[in-house]
Amino acid sequence: GENVEQHPSTLSVQEGDSAVIKCTYSDSASNYFPWYKQELGKGPQLIIDIRSNVGEKKDQRIAVTLNKTAKHFSLHITETQPEDSAVYFCAASSGTGGGNKLTFGTGTQLKVEL
Amino acid sequence: GAGVSQSPSNKVTEKGKDVELRCDPISGHTALYWYRQRLGQGLEFLIYFQGNSAPDKSGLPSDRFSAERTGESVSTLTIQRTQQEDSAVYLCASSLGSGFYGYTFGSGTRLTVV
Repeated sequence: GENVEQHPSTLSVQEGDSAVIKCTYSDSASNYFPWYKQELGKGPQLIIDIRSNVGEKKDQRIAVTLNKTAKHFSLHITETQPEDSAVYFCAASSGTGGGNKLTFGTGTQLKVEL
Repeated sequence: GAGVSQSPSNKVTEKGKDVELRCDPISGHTALYWYRQRLGQGLEFLIYFQGNSAPDKSGLPSDRFSAERTGESVSTLTIQRTQQEDSAVYLCASSLGSGFYGYTFGSGTRLTVV
């Protein structure tokens, strides 16, 4: 089955700096890659996703890049703010067998310091 | 409803007891997923429902776990004869359909087995 690895497990940046989180996946059939943000005591929230037919997608301060050949994808957050502090999860799905069953990475605890 | 609602938010149970967790998805969302999140870990797929189709139960860890959903309404996840290793946050998510739609998660049920 699919295996998703995520690095780093913790990341501390100064406010205004950029943050980058990287994930690799094992199943070459995977073609959908979402990112979720989880704040303490809440369920994860979708922040951006990308499909395999594009290499990059941007939404304001957040961007995701995908390299299908190398089987890795990354989340980039620019001009970080204290409210960006949370746990971020990457995920991958191939959609095989019906449905959008996601395999998640183990999460990155991002801390934005003032 | 406005979001995915899960109840109870917290549950403490004695080892060997049965528990039932409830998920009320967003109206109109035909797909419903259950995931388990152990402390400091990623989300682990349990089961997927799509409309009136047979559910994908491939993630259920043992026959002590079962789930039901009638049509596109409420779902219940039942754990029989609970064990300490069942302690985790159980998250429910719904989405528009079986394709690559983003999930909307509930806030989860934190289960503690003592």
